Amino acid sequence: SQQGEEDPQALSIQEGENATMNCSYKTSINNLQWYRQNSGRGLVHLILIRSNEREKHSGRLRVTLDTSKKSSSLLITASRAADTASYFCATANFGNEKLTFGTGTRLTIIP
Amino acid sequence: KAGVTQTPRYLIKTRGQQVTLSCSPISGHRSVSWYQQTPGQGLQFLFEYFSETQRNKGNFPGRFSGRQFSNSRSEMNVSTLELGDSALYLCASSLEQARYGYTFGSGTRLTVV
Repeated sequence: SQQGEEDPQALSIQEGENATMNCSYKTSINNLQWYRQNSGRGLVHLILIRSNEREKHSGRLRVTLDTSKKSSSLLITASRAADTASYFCATANFGNEKLTFGTGTRLTIIP
Repeated sequence: KAGVTQTPRYLIKTRGQQVTLSCSPISGHRSVSWYQQTPGQGLQFLFEYFSETQRNKGNFPGRFSGRQFSNSRSEMNVSTLELGDSALYLCASSLEQARYGYTFGSGTRLTVV
């Protein structure tokens, strides 16, 4: 079963705009990770945020985590056509050795 | 360094047949996980291996099995294939458990006809 939902399911924006995706999950976690997938290929790890962190940055990516609300958001600034992909959040709990994925957000950047 | 290698990339099988998929993790990674991705169910965890031991298994029937070799390479096997087994099968490797990000292979696209 999947951990939770991602919102929105699909997002289309103009190149240069910012894109924000949200992820909600159901149980306590040790960390939350974001992945990108291009056209049904493999997943690419983007960023990991630990449960004791509230915000993390990596290049044009900014991730926030609110464990009290069991939610996370991924912000991509100054979007590019190459950012067109599906984005998934995944939660990890040490001890059960697996990632539990959200439903994904399909992001389309319009040139 | 080389990434996670999955073979074959594409596979077409007939119902009732069995199939074996292969995954070579990043050198030094001892944890290998398998996931099934379908349009209806999304990304579902199959199983995880660490040093040849299966540490966790997802909610899949016994037709799905796997193993890991001493060089950390892993295989998964699906017996008595059903149409619903058509999916993208993804392998991921990691240094240790889920403390770090996983590196995924490009996947094997299995089509059952």
